[in-house]
Amino acid sequence: EIVMTQSPATLSVSPGERATLSCRASQSVSSSLAWYQQKPGQAPRLLIYGASTRATGIPARFSGSGSGTEFTLTISSLQSEDFAVYYCQQYNNWWTFGQGTKVEIK
Amino acid sequence: QVLLVESGGGVVQPGRSLGLSCAASGFTFSSYTMHWVRQPPGEGLEWVAAVSSAGSHKNYVDSVKGRFTVSRDNSKNTLYLQMNSLRAEDTAVYYCVREPNGLYYMDVWGKGTTVTVSS
Repeated sequence: EIVMTQSPATLSVSPGERATLSCRASQSVSSSLAWYQQKPGQAPRLLIYGASTRATGIPARFSGSGSGTEFTLTISSLQSEDFAVYYCQQYNNWWTFGQGTKVEIK
Repeated sequence: QVLLVESGGGVVQPGRSLGLSCAASGFTFSSYTMHWVRQPPGEGLEWVAAVSSAGSHKNYVDSVKGRFTVSRDNSKNTLYLQMNSLRAEDTAVYYCVREPNGLYYMDVWGKGTTVTVSS
């Protein structure tokens, strides 16, 4: 099983600032990496697939990068609606998720 | 509008069975691989099962193999998850999720249905 490790567990950021979230895979997943956003009481929402392609309707302030075992989700200027939990997921070998990074208001 | 609506959740005793359904609308259901993903209270996400668009291929996470069965009825645009021999650790919100065929990521999620296994 491919283990996905996200860091940090919690990220405190002020509105308008940049947020950088990391995700590491225990073995290479190529570019088969997705990012999801989940707000309290809601289902996850696809943000990024293929490590760097934004899903339909996702604002340009969200960007993804990386390949192999190291990946990054960047939110260039945090808006109030961006405070949420973010999960990475590999889909190169079955499907496994990271434990999540909570982005909270500083 | 693409919609996935789960139903069938509830409280069940350990060792008993429960069946979940997911009604799909707004897209050609028979063209998509479908998944179940679960989330225990206060925890992260875990993929549970997948079924191919025609229903001929099915895969499961090891922890549910032999206990859970995923199926679909393309004539009714409905996905199912039959859960037998339920355990406390199966307690979770269960999401029905769509995968664009052959692309493997998950692009549309239902709101989920809650399963609680408790005596």
